[in-house]
Amino acid sequence: GAGVSQSPRYKVAKRGQDVALRCDPISGHVSLFWYQQALGQGPEFLTYFQNEAQLDKSGLPSDRFFAERPEGSVSTLKIQRTQQEDSAVYLCASSLRTGRILNTEAFFGQGTRLTVV
Amino acid sequence: SQELEQSPQSLIVQEGKNLTINCTSSKTLYGLYWYKQKYGEGLIFLMMLQKGGEEKSHEKITAKLDEKKQQSSLHITASQPSHAGIYLCGAVAANNAGNMLTFGGGTRLMVKP
Repeated sequence: GAGVSQSPRYKVAKRGQDVALRCDPISGHVSLFWYQQALGQGPEFLTYFQNEAQLDKSGLPSDRFFAERPEGSVSTLKIQRTQQEDSAVYLCASSLRTGRILNTEAFFGQGTRLTVV
Repeated sequence: SQELEQSPQSLIVQEGKNLTINCTSSKTLYGLYWYKQKYGEGLIFLMMLQKGGEEKSHEKITAKLDEKKQQSSLHITASQPSHAGIYLCGAVAANNAGNMLTFGGGTRLMVKP
């Protein structure tokens, strides 16, 4: 597709339920990022992939959060045993290149709004 | 870690008025991005600034980067209701692994017709 696609757009989960959020990056984009955006806040970094390698997962808030990108394209963010504080918009971004100085813009998807009740 | 502070946090202006949003970094800026976000939507890329003194414009929106002050400003001329939304600045936190963006808390802009 032309842009970064995320699904579902909206997800309501009961507390304790597991959820899986999908990100389809722009074709050929090497870098993929997941961000979490709480209501009224700026996005916060969760994890970063370069192709299929997860090079940074320092932003994942707990071991209930798990992300994968097995073939270097589509990525899935999984949250186990969801809790109310997990309610947020989860944004995915992809970028053409990596390197010390990012000289191409990162393209963001529309996000998945997760509400844990 | 790098922190970005945006000011003001929220802004209400009358249609046709000019406005400025500031983004100040606690560390050296390797690249500064401006995004716009409508409520419940993803981020729309506006501009990227890399060099000190760089200035870019897109329609009625101009962004400047002051590298020495570790600051960027976003200026909207003759604001319109379509400019309403959340403006986010993001800076590159260069590290060994990648180039993740660190974001400010956003500036919520409302334009009154």
